[in-house]
Amino acid sequence: DTEVTQTPKHLVMGMTNKKSLKCEQHMGHRAMYWYKQKAKKPPELMFVYSYEKLSINESVPSRFSPECPNSSLLNLHLHALQPEDSALYLCASTRTGGDEQFFGPGTRLTVL
Amino acid sequence: SQQGEEDPQALSIQEGENATMNCSYKTSINNLQWYRQNSGRGLVHLILIRSNEREKHSGRLRVTLDTSKKSSSLLITASRAADTASYFCAMPYTGGFKTIFGAGTRLFVKA
Repeated sequence: DTEVTQTPKHLVMGMTNKKSLKCEQHMGHRAMYWYKQKAKKPPELMFVYSYEKLSINESVPSRFSPECPNSSLLNLHLHALQPEDSALYLCASTRTGGDEQFFGPGTRLTVL
Repeated sequence: SQQGEEDPQALSIQEGENATMNCSYKTSINNLQWYRQNSGRGLVHLILIRSNEREKHSGRLRVTLDTSKKSSSLLITASRAADTASYFCAMPYTGGFKTIFGAGTRLFVKA
C-alpha cells in the first residue's frame, strides 16, 4: 500500500462547528505532515509529527488542533474557524530519513 | 517566507512542444525536488536531485541543478495534454522536517 488517504474529500462547516479531518497511511512512515494550500499558492506547512510526537508547529492558530493517535493515523481537529481558513488541506508522510513526501488527495474545506 | 521562486508563473504550449520551468532558492540545500499537482489534488513527487548532481533524467523529465547559481530547471519533453498541471520545486531544510515549496508554475498543454 503506497498511498495516503484523506477523509472527507469535501467539508463545509459553519464558524461555530467542530469537525475533524483524517489522514491515514500504511507505508510505515514515521513522519506525517499537515499543509494548508490556498488557490494558486504553494502548500504551507502547518504541523509535523515524528514518531507520534509533535515536532513542528508553524505558529498555527489554536483553532487548529492536530492529533497523532498512532503511527498510521493523523487527525486535524477544527473549531471556531474563520472564512479565511477555507482552503485545501493536505496530509503527507515521509519514511525515516527520506525527503520524498507522499501526499494525500486533500480535503477541500469551506468555512461559511 | 518562501525559500524558492519559480518562473514562469504560467506557461501555455502546444502538445509535442517542450516545457521548461525554473526555480531559484536562497540557502544551501542537500537536495531539490520537483512535484506535480493536478487541479485541486494532492502533490505527486516527480524527481529528486542531490546537491552533488548536476543533471538527472526520468522518462520525459530532465532536471538540472546549478548550486553556484542556486537554481534548478525542469524540462518536460514532448509534452502531452495530460501534463497540464502545476509544478513546484521543493527544498528540504537541512537536518529537519520542514520543506519549503516554490511559488509554482502552472503549465497548460493544448491538444
